[in-house]
Amino acid sequence: KQEVTQIPAALSVPEGENLVLNCSFTDSAIYNLQWFRQDPGKGLTSLLLIQSSQREQTSGRLNASLDKSSGRSTLYIAASQPGDSATYLCAVSRGSNYKLTFGKGTLLTVNP
Amino acid sequence: SAVISQKPSRDICQRGTSLTIQCQVDSQVTMMFWYRQQPGQSLTLIATANQGSEATYESGFVIDKFPISRPNLTFSTLTVSNMSPEDSSIYLCSAAGNEQFFGPGTRLTVL
Repeated sequence: KQEVTQIPAALSVPEGENLVLNCSFTDSAIYNLQWFRQDPGKGLTSLLLIQSSQREQTSGRLNASLDKSSGRSTLYIAASQPGDSATYLCAVSRGSNYKLTFGKGTLLTVNP
Repeated sequence: SAVISQKPSRDICQRGTSLTIQCQVDSQVTMMFWYRQQPGQSLTLIATANQGSEATYESGFVIDKFPISRPNLTFSTLTVSNMSPEDSSIYLCSAAGNEQFFGPGTRLTVL
């Protein structure tokens, strides 16, 4: 059974700092990995999708990497801003059926 | 990307009643799913909504408790039946092609 772990559970940083969020998964036979952002009481916003054959994806200040063999992914946020404050969720797809297994998330607070 | 809407956005219900949540996608999608997010927890997949046929449920979820319909490629409903306080959660609809997109969620409180 696939398990997804995210470390740290919570992170508080000053504005402008670069930071890394970690995600690990137990079964390396994934189809893809997706990073989401969730604001309090809201739905999920897709940030980055990495296919199993890819090593990284970039969007603006966000960069996600994937090391499938070791079962790890990182989300790098450059020059953090208070508006980045949210919960970041990592999810892996079990196969081409697109079913996702989620981690518990990292609660990020960026202080002005 | 797909834009997904859900109704209602939130509701407070009495124990023993049922609530139907609607999910509308702005384009035809291959797969639609329903997830539950219990307080302080991450998302758990309830079922895959299959167009024109019975939904496929994950372990621990049953059709009598969570009946699902998907009459076409852009619309699905989830009913939470005979509710108890343990059903208080956020229920989210998602649509998937290669990438998965989520609706804003329905926050359900059962008293």
